Amino acid sequence: DAGVIQSPRHEVTEMGQEVTLRCKPISGHNSLFWYRQTMMRGLELLIYFNNNVPIDDSGMPEDRFSAKMPNASFSTLKIQPSEPRDSAVYFCASSSRTGVNTGELFFGEGSRLTVL
Amino acid sequence: AQSVTQLDSQVPVFEEAPVELRCNYSSSVSVYLFWYVQYPNQGLQLLLKYLSGSTLVKGINGFEAEFNKSQTSFHLRKPSVHISDTAEYFCAVRAQGGSEKLVFGKGTKLTVNP
Repeated sequence: DAGVIQSPRHEVTEMGQEVTLRCKPISGHNSLFWYRQTMMRGLELLIYFNNNVPIDDSGMPEDRFSAKMPNASFSTLKIQPSEPRDSAVYFCASSSRTGVNTGELFFGEGSRLTVL
Repeated sequence: AQSVTQLDSQVPVFEEAPVELRCNYSSSVSVYLFWYVQYPNQGLQLLLKYLSGSTLVKGINGFEAEFNKSQTSFHLRKPSVHISDTAEYFCAVRAQGGSEKLVFGKGTKLTVNP
């Protein structure tokens, strides 16, 4: 089976530009997570969805960030306008509820964003 | 809320030596515990997990971890490391029931030298 697919893998943009990161979760998984990884702050949960509905967006830094999940197979994370401090690796992960909800996450390979 | 402290940011060891990566957690409710590994330029992948039952958990690649509730610890161990174990290791915690939010520690960079 294909894993979590993220695009683009690398993005270099200039301050003020709009950035859209994309994620395709594993088929059949009903929870999707967006994490941001930086050297200073480690892995931070930005938002997660369950059955396409945002459940917890308390980690979204500010109004410049928005995330959507229009269907079970696609999610986007948008930054508008982007700033240099948004430079990070953004990970998407998905999980499924099995007989015991173990919380195991399956991660994509990440989107490395550089804002100049 | 839950939190995770990984006491060592970097651990250098020689090949075939044993290693222990330390993890302590804080939570007011019962938790599930996880260790993930991240190889360079890749996403995280699950090494092992503690859900319930035996406090000694075995994972992939010869790693194991022991849950100690009284010390709120979940240390990761391997009796003999290989060069290929060089990676960053993350401890994570999730409250049982309720939110699926997984909280990660800041990671421990394990470097295995020949």
